[in-house]
Amino acid sequence: DIQMTQSPASLSASLGETVSIECLASEDIYNNLAWYQQKPGKSPQLLIYYASSLQDGVPSRFSGSGSGTQYSLKINSLESEDAATYFCLQDSEYPWTFGGGTKLELK
Amino acid sequence: EVQLVESGGGLVQPGRSLKLSCVASGFTFNNYWMTWIRQAPGKGLEWVASITNTGGSTYYPDSVKGRFTISRDNAKSTLYLQMNSLRSEDTATYYCTRDGGIPTDWGQGVMVTVSS
Repeated sequence: DIQMTQSPASLSASLGETVSIECLASEDIYNNLAWYQQKPGKSPQLLIYYASSLQDGVPSRFSGSGSGTQYSLKINSLESEDAATYFCLQDSEYPWTFGGGTKLELK
Repeated sequence: EVQLVESGGGLVQPGRSLKLSCVASGFTFNNYWMTWIRQAPGKGLEWVASITNTGGSTYYPDSVKGRFTISRDNAKSTLYLQMNSLRSEDTATYYCTRDGGIPTDWGQGVMVTVSS
């Protein structure tokens, strides 16, 4: 199984700042990586697919990058609504596996 | 608007069975693969099962293989998850998702608690 190591586990940042979240795959996943945002008590929402493609309706301050085994999600100009937990998902092969999550807190 | 509405959750004893349903609307159900994903309380996400648009093929992780069965009724636009031999570690919120290659749309989730 492909292991997804996500970091950091938690993050505190101020409004207007830029943050990055990383996911490291245990083997090459050929850009088959998605990023989700989950707010407390809500279902996850897709932000990014195929490593860098922005899902319709997602603000352009979210961006994804990476290749091979290393991927990152960048959030520019943080807004209060960005406080949430973020997960990566590899769909390169079954079993699909998720990163452990990053809880983003706004100061 | 895509809507996915799960039902069938609840409290069940270890070793017993439960069947979840997910009624889909707002899209052509039989054009899409579907997936169940779960989330234990306060924990991360775990892929549980996927099914092709025709129902001809299904996929499971080892953690549920042989105990869980995903199925669908395209005439009713409904996805199912039959869960047998339930264990305490199956306690989670179960989400029904529509796959556009990856889960793109998620239901609100249904809680399953396995406890004596």
